[in-house]
Amino acid sequence: AQKITQTQPGMFVQEKEAVTLDCTYDTSDPSYGLFWYKQPSSGEMIFLIYQGSYDQQNATEGRYSLNFQKARKSANLVISASQLGDSAMYFCAMREVLTGNQFYFGTGTSLTVIP
Amino acid sequence: DTAVSQTPKYLVTQMGNDKSIKCEQNLGHDTMYWYKQDSKKFLKIMFSYNNKELIINETVPNRFSPKSPDKAHLNLHINSLELGDSAVYFCASSQLRQGLDGYTFGSGTRLTVV
Repeated sequence: AQKITQTQPGMFVQEKEAVTLDCTYDTSDPSYGLFWYKQPSSGEMIFLIYQGSYDQQNATEGRYSLNFQKARKSANLVISASQLGDSAMYFCAMREVLTGNQFYFGTGTSLTVIP
Repeated sequence: DTAVSQTPKYLVTQMGNDKSIKCEQNLGHDTMYWYKQDSKKFLKIMFSYNNKELIINETVPNRFSPKSPDKAHLNLHINSLELGDSAVYFCASSQLRQGLDGYTFGSGTRLTVV
């Protein structure tokens, strides 16, 4: 089974609107972390936001927030007030404590912000 | 100061050649990784070293050989390059412990085999 599933290969959003990028995960480890990375066309991988499995509050970082629904095993990224510079690939990833030596990445979602 | 630096950034080479990609991190992390990103952007782990010890060795052709002279360096040597090796190779580092640190990635090396 896939550890991380991103079902949206491509998404479009109007500038200044909010957009949600979906991510579901599969783990039996009670302790894990969920991460989102952005990869713009220049190619580098940029860390955006982190959510721990025991965190009570949803993580927020500026315009990024993570909608964490533990029972559903989902960790959707919400980008508010989209900007043209948000156009990029977005990867969801998970790290488990018991197998902490690697990340599991999703297949990514390509986001295009339309002016 | 670059936290994880990879060189070279671009590498164009002919089939059959041998090439190396170097990676260095100055974060004091104890674990380093090599990932391959294919043309569909899928990230696949290749190797991981913890304090110079190989801890992850995924199903990768043995033409690929990692070398970690110390915990701050992880190099990737590729023998007899093939067209299918064309990809972006990312180095990353993290601290392996009972915690959930994220990765810090290098900027990637775009390898093109012609």
